[in-house]
Amino acid sequence: ELKVEQNPLFLSMQEGKNYTIYCNYSTTSDRLYWYRQDPGKSLESLFVLLSNGAVKQEGRLMASLDTKARLSTLHITAAVHDLSATYFCAVDGHNDMRFGAGTRLTVKP
Amino acid sequence: DAGVTQSPTHLIKTRGQHVTLRCSPISGHKSVSWYQQVLGQGPQFIFQYYEKEERGRGNFPDRFSARQFPNYSSELNVNALLLGDSALYLCASSRSSGRMDSYNEQFFGPGTRLTVL
Repeated sequence: ELKVEQNPLFLSMQEGKNYTIYCNYSTTSDRLYWYRQDPGKSLESLFVLLSNGAVKQEGRLMASLDTKARLSTLHITAAVHDLSATYFCAVDGHNDMRFGAGTRLTVKP
Repeated sequence: DAGVTQSPTHLIKTRGQHVTLRCSPISGHKSVSWYQQVLGQGPQFIFQYYEKEERGRGNFPDRFSARQFPNYSSELNVNALLLGDSALYLCASSRSSGRMDSYNEQFFGPGTRLTVL
């Protein structure tokens, strides 16, 4: 059974600092997605990673995928308050999509 | 273009009742998936439909059922509601059913918040 684990589950950062969120998954998959969710809202697609070694960047966020290690990272550079949200990774399973538990990020001034 | 739409936005039911949730996908998308998100957790997959056929089913009891219509909209039905069914129900649409031909980027609707009392 495909399992997706994220860590940390909670992250409190100072503005301007860097940090990385990790997403591990248990079976072979070459498609991984990152989503952002604000409180009480739906999920917003951030990145789609389709192959080993894929790296994508948007603003202060950069995502990468290592399919051999079954690991994806979401790196936050020089965090700002607007990045406060819950971030989910999700992996394509067999006719379903499995989500991690989410990382609740709080960026403090 | 309009995004994924869901109705209703909020719903309050009592135990034992039945509920129907509705979803309209993005124009041109043929696949609809349903997820349950309990407060503080990640979404859990319930169903995927593609071209009106069920393509995937998560680990949910038979009280949960769904269907997709010729216009690709979808309904999720839940019978004999339990307190534990209280959650945000998310619908997501994508162009394909995924896996072999192209990636399955899903776009999520705003969700229906179901409260069971």
